[in-house]
Amino acid sequence: ETGVTQSPTHLIKTRGQQVTLRCSSQSGHNTVSWYQQALGQGPQFIFQYYREEENGRGNFPPRFSGLQFPNYSSELNVNALELDDSALYLCASSSDRNTEAFFGQGTRLTVV
Amino acid sequence: AQSVTQLDSQVPVFEEAPVELRCNYSSSVSVYLFWYVQYPNQGLQLLLKYLSGSTLVESINGFEAEFNKSQTSFHLRKPSVHISDTAEYFCAVTGGYQKVTFGIGTKLQVIP
Repeated sequence: ETGVTQSPTHLIKTRGQQVTLRCSSQSGHNTVSWYQQALGQGPQFIFQYYREEENGRGNFPPRFSGLQFPNYSSELNVNALELDDSALYLCASSSDRNTEAFFGQGTRLTVV
Repeated sequence: AQSVTQLDSQVPVFEEAPVELRCNYSSSVSVYLFWYVQYPNQGLQLLLKYLSGSTLVESINGFEAEFNKSQTSFHLRKPSVHISDTAEYFCAVTGGYQKVTFGIGTKLQVIP
């Protein structure tokens, strides 16, 4: 059984660019949630995907968007990057049969 | 709506001394509670969880937490800490819809 994997592990982008982050969910999990963890802060909920549909969203602007694929892997897209988007982005997968979320190692995004 | 308050941003403690990391939550629905640990430049690892049943839950590495509904608390304790316990600890709550709300974290610094 593989865990949650995220790619890339580190990324540097320029302000105004677009970025795509990827997440492979744990085997048997159909729900993926994305979190932003700014330096010195706790993770903040961005949105959740359940069976390819957005299933809840936190207080993030529309330039944060996502997708979930039939194999339940997921992408987080951020358009028009701002310096404040620099953070660790965490993906978590879970099953609708329990409430435990398993986290990946994260993608460290730096916007310069 | 849910919220989590971690009362201490940093806790220094000498090796082999006991430690308590405090967590209070608020929620309008029944909750599930978690403690996650984060080592530098890594993702989140689940330390322990309370879903139902016994209010005292334990981890495999000697940590324990007690769910106190009347005081809306879920404090984390360990009777004797090791250097390897140095990390950041996040208390988290979910109402069962898998969106997890995190506290801002407590940095545990174990002093040799």
